[in-house]
Amino acid sequence: SAVISQKPSRDICQRGTSLTIQCQVDSQVTMMFWYRQQPGQSLTLIATANQGSEATYESGFVIDKFPISRPNLTFSTLTVSNMSPEDSSIYLCSVPGQGLEAFFGQGTRLTVV
Amino acid sequence: AQSVAQPEDQVNVAEGNPLTVKCTYSVSGNPYLFWYVQYPNRGLQFLLKYITGDNLVKGSYGFEAEFNKSQTSFHLKKPSALVSDSALYFCAVRDHTGGFKTIFGAGTRLFVKA
Repeated sequence: SAVISQKPSRDICQRGTSLTIQCQVDSQVTMMFWYRQQPGQSLTLIATANQGSEATYESGFVIDKFPISRPNLTFSTLTVSNMSPEDSSIYLCSVPGQGLEAFFGQGTRLTVV
Repeated sequence: AQSVAQPEDQVNVAEGNPLTVKCTYSVSGNPYLFWYVQYPNRGLQFLLKYITGDNLVKGSYGFEAEFNKSQTSFHLKKPSALVSDSALYFCAVRDHTGGFKTIFGAGTRLFVKA
């Protein structure tokens, strides 16, 4: 199983600012996924981050709002830009395991005030 | 498109009683199905999966799930519930037609009463 470290674990940010979330995996993986979990809701996929190419965004999510970097096979960042209170959520990174299940970081709990 | 549905927002059960958390799926091709659990203020943990083979799959913490192709269901079960099982449970399907992303159901909150 993969061990995933996410930073920060939580943050409180002012509206209009940006926050970058880091995700570090203890093994090399081709694909990394970023999810959003709004309060009391399920997980919604934001984008798939592939090393060496641009991220693939799901419907309703755009690169200008959620830019993603994937500089190598063990690391990715997600930036939440120009934040508003509606961006208050838990953001999780995920990688697929060899057994097809997904492994998740502990999440970043973001509150925008 | 792949999807899963969890018809119950909440399930209440007394400790020691059997529990069932329901999930139905809609996929093209063979389904890859999963259950995950989320405890308060923690990330998601993998419980069990169905890829192929026996319809009854066993997972962590005494949980099991039954794959039923004719009913397109993958219900999560446990013979005897514990108070510590109280958590948020997600059914999920792996999209293996492209991208390999995981699609989650809405989640079911399980309350086990002592």
